[in-house]
Amino acid sequence: NAGVTQTPKFRILKIGQSMTLQCAQDMNHNYMYWYRQDPGMGLKLIYYSVGAGITDKGEVPNGYNVSRSTTEDFPLRLELAAPSQTSVYFCASSYIGLPSSPLHFGNGTRLTVT
Amino acid sequence: SQELEQSPQSLIVQEGKNLTINCTSSKTLYGLYWYKQKYGEGLIFLMMLQKGGEEKSHEKITAKLDEKKQQSSLHITASQPSHAGIYLCGADVTGNQFYFGTGTSLTVIP
Repeated sequence: NAGVTQTPKFRILKIGQSMTLQCAQDMNHNYMYWYRQDPGMGLKLIYYSVGAGITDKGEVPNGYNVSRSTTEDFPLRLELAAPSQTSVYFCASSYIGLPSSPLHFGNGTRLTVT
Repeated sequence: SQELEQSPQSLIVQEGKNLTINCTSSKTLYGLYWYKQKYGEGLIFLMMLQKGGEEKSHEKITAKLDEKKQQSSLHITASQPSHAGIYLCGADVTGNQFYFGTGTSLTVIP
């Protein structure tokens, strides 16, 4: 049972480049989330999804896009990378929505934009 | 402003010592979670507290939610190097949005 799998683990982007962070879960969870973690700032919610075909903005959605075509996958897209998007990105899933069930996290993607 | 404040921000203790980490909100906490994170890895779920006064323990880690549901504490007894990492609390403080604290970095010196 792999849980939540994120790829890649590390990536360096130049300003203006685009990329997709991949996230997949094999627990049949309906709820999936993308967070970013910056030093001293905790985790901030970027986007979340309550099921296939349904996504919604979190606290810091600007500069990002998501899609949820299947229950398993929830990719995060950066269209025009900016230095402010340098961060560690975590994907998470849960059986039912917060706060009723705990989040299961992937190991993160460390992104640097220069 | 930060919805959840954690203290201390960092902690260095000698192996075998006890320690406490606090998570505080100015509002009522719903579904308070504690997570642990090791460098380069994701967050591991430790415990969830929902009721005021609730206390849960797992091995040498005990978490409690106070009666007013505005503060939670995480206590580690007889700390070990394996306890080292970043501890984060997370909670719904508005009734419809979940927030994380800023984290407490714990170092345990053998």
